[in-house]
Amino acid sequence: GIQVEQSPPDLILQEGANSTLRCNFSDSVNNLQWFHQNPWGQLINLFYIPSGTKQNGRLSATTVATERYSLLYISSSQTTDSGVYFCAVSWYNNNDMRFGAGTRLTVKP
Amino acid sequence: EAGVAQSPRYKIIEKRQSVAFWCNPISGHATLYWYQQILGQGPKLLIQFQNNGVVDDSQLPKDRFSAERLKGVDSTLKIQPAKLEDSAVYLCASSLGGRGEGTDTQYFGPGTRLTVL
Repeated sequence: GIQVEQSPPDLILQEGANSTLRCNFSDSVNNLQWFHQNPWGQLINLFYIPSGTKQNGRLSATTVATERYSLLYISSSQTTDSGVYFCAVSWYNNNDMRFGAGTRLTVKP
Repeated sequence: EAGVAQSPRYKIIEKRQSVAFWCNPISGHATLYWYQQILGQGPKLLIQFQNNGVVDDSQLPKDRFSAERLKGVDSTLKIQPAKLEDSAVYLCASSLGGRGEGTDTQYFGPGTRLTVL
């Protein structure tokens, strides 16, 4: 099956710093989503982005489908950005979303 | 718009007991998913429904896990009998379903945290 790798596994930032999270996947995909899992366990949709670039406030994401990676950018980080960020993909004719192991982000005040 | 609802939020049982979880998806969403998330890992799909039919249950341990979505709306996931390794968060998600752009975007409920002692 498709492999999803996220890096880095852990990231510690000072409030106000910028960061880039990466997701590599091993096959062509028709769905890629970025999620934020908050400290209470709720998975929150950030982006649906199988290709191209999207922005939402301080967050933006880019997926280069031909090179099989996606990047999530967080600018001017805040303590509320802390949590685990997951990339999840599914591939053609299959809605089985495969999640990466996540990047645990800690933003310190 | 109401999100995906799940209950209970927490459950503690002893091994070999039975347990059931309930999920009500976002109104109008045809596709419903159950995931298992073990501590420190990403969620793993257990079963996917399209309306009231099963699309994929290849990763569901069918000797002890069962799920149904009889009327194509809400769903229940049951474990019988539970084992220690079933301790996890059980997440329900839903999507519109269909062929349009973004119709397979999945929205997650708050999850049920199960502890098996």
